[in-house]
Amino acid sequence: GAVVSQHPSWVICKSGTSVKIECRSLDFQATTMFWYRQFPKQSLMLMATSNEGSKATYEQGVEKDKFLINHASLTLSTLTVTSAHPEDSSFYICSAGGYEKLFFGSGTQLSVL
Amino acid sequence: AQKVTQAQTEISVVEKEDVTLDCVYETRDTTYYLFWYKQPPSGELVFLIRRNSFDEQNEISGRYSWNFQKSTSSFNFTITASQVVDSAVYFCALRAGTYKYIFGTGTRLKVLA
Repeated sequence: GAVVSQHPSWVICKSGTSVKIECRSLDFQATTMFWYRQFPKQSLMLMATSNEGSKATYEQGVEKDKFLINHASLTLSTLTVTSAHPEDSSFYICSAGGYEKLFFGSGTQLSVL
Repeated sequence: AQKVTQAQTEISVVEKEDVTLDCVYETRDTTYYLFWYKQPPSGELVFLIRRNSFDEQNEISGRYSWNFQKSTSSFNFTITASQVVDSAVYFCALRAGTYKYIFGTGTRLKVLA
C-alpha cells in the first residue's frame, strides 16, 4: 500500500484564492519531504525541500511567498499555493524517504480558473 | 553538473513485443544511485529499481530487466513481452552527493493491444 498519502487528488479554485495540499508519511517518520511540480508531459521539477521544525529550502526560481511550506510534524508537510493564478495550474507531487529510496504521493492536480 | 537524459520521448509497441527504454546520466561523483520510476495515468510514481554506482550487475525481475554500464553512463530498462498495463511514463533518476533526485524528461510508453 501507499506509504505517502497526498490530499486532495485534485482541486479547482478561483484565481486569487489559496489552496493547501497535504502530504503525510504513513508508516515512517519523515524529517525531510520534497515537493515537486510537473507540467503536462514534462519531467518532475523539485520546488522545495521541507524540513521538520525549520524553514523549507526552496530551489532557485521558486517563489517562497507564493508556495508556503509547513512541516510541523514528522509525518505531515503542507504546501499552500497563495493567491493562485492560472499559471500555477499544474500537477504537484510530494515525496518522502531516505537517500536510497523516495516514496511519492499520488499527486494533486491543481486547476486555477 | 548532474544530468539525466531520456532521449526517447514516446514509444509505441504492440503487445508482446520487447521494448528498451534508454537512460544516460552525467555526474562527477563516484558514489551515486540510479532509479527507475513508473508513472501510470493515475499520477503516482511507482518505484521500480535502485542501483548504486558500485554495483554493475544487471538485474532481472520478472519481465523487467536493467542494464547498467558505467563505461557508457547508461542505465537502460527493458520490458520483455510487453503488456497493455505497462503503458505509462517511465522516469530515470539520479541521486549523487546531495539529497536531490535529478529526473529525466521521461519516456511515454504505449503498448497497443
